[in-house]
Amino acid sequence: DVKVTQSSRYLVKRTGEKVFLECVQDMDHENMFWYRQDPGLGLRLIYFSYDVKMKEKGDIPEGYSVSREKKERFSLILESASTNQTSMYLCASSPAGTGRNEQYFGPGTRLTVT
Amino acid sequence: DAKTTQPNSMESNEEEPVHLPCNHSTISGTDYIHWYRQLPSQGPEYVIHGLTSNVNNRMASLAIAEDRKSSTLILHRATLRDAAVYYCILRDVSGWGGSEKLVFGKGTKLTVNP
Repeated sequence: DVKVTQSSRYLVKRTGEKVFLECVQDMDHENMFWYRQDPGLGLRLIYFSYDVKMKEKGDIPEGYSVSREKKERFSLILESASTNQTSMYLCASSPAGTGRNEQYFGPGTRLTVT
Repeated sequence: DAKTTQPNSMESNEEEPVHLPCNHSTISGTDYIHWYRQLPSQGPEYVIHGLTSNVNNRMASLAIAEDRKSSTLILHRATLRDAAVYYCILRDVSGWGGSEKLVFGKGTKLTVNP
């Protein structure tokens, strides 16, 4: 079974802190994604990566950066956390393809910034 | 991305079939129809996808209209565990990179009554 794991289910950070959210997948997938989910706004793509050290901006990249040094790991970084980044963060992975392949999601990290 | 329209909510009784509709009148010839669902407090999970022909798998069936402007996800026998938000998503397979993204709408919240 494909497994996507995220480092924490719940996280509380203070405004201005640097925050790292880690995601690991065990199926050798080329693509990895970071989404955030907010009530009334649904899931929105922050960044995605289609290979090691490669990244593409999603729909809402502002205030975030990412790192992919190894194929199985994709990190989301909040350089200086703000209260409007309080959200549910979801990581996903998929094999490379042309849009036919399904994405596998992790359980999510609920981040609260105070 | 071509848009989809789904009802905000639907209700069903346990052990009865459920038909979840999706309209996608601006679908293009290279758009695949994907369905995901999100159970409470979990990340989304893939359900099924198709292009033109009806599709069946262990979770559900997908019925696609002949003109492809609408589709229906069919749960043959709803269980309490099927209570979730169901998302209908179009994925364009003609390009690269961007076609790997999922664009989530608001979905249909399915309630299953015992």
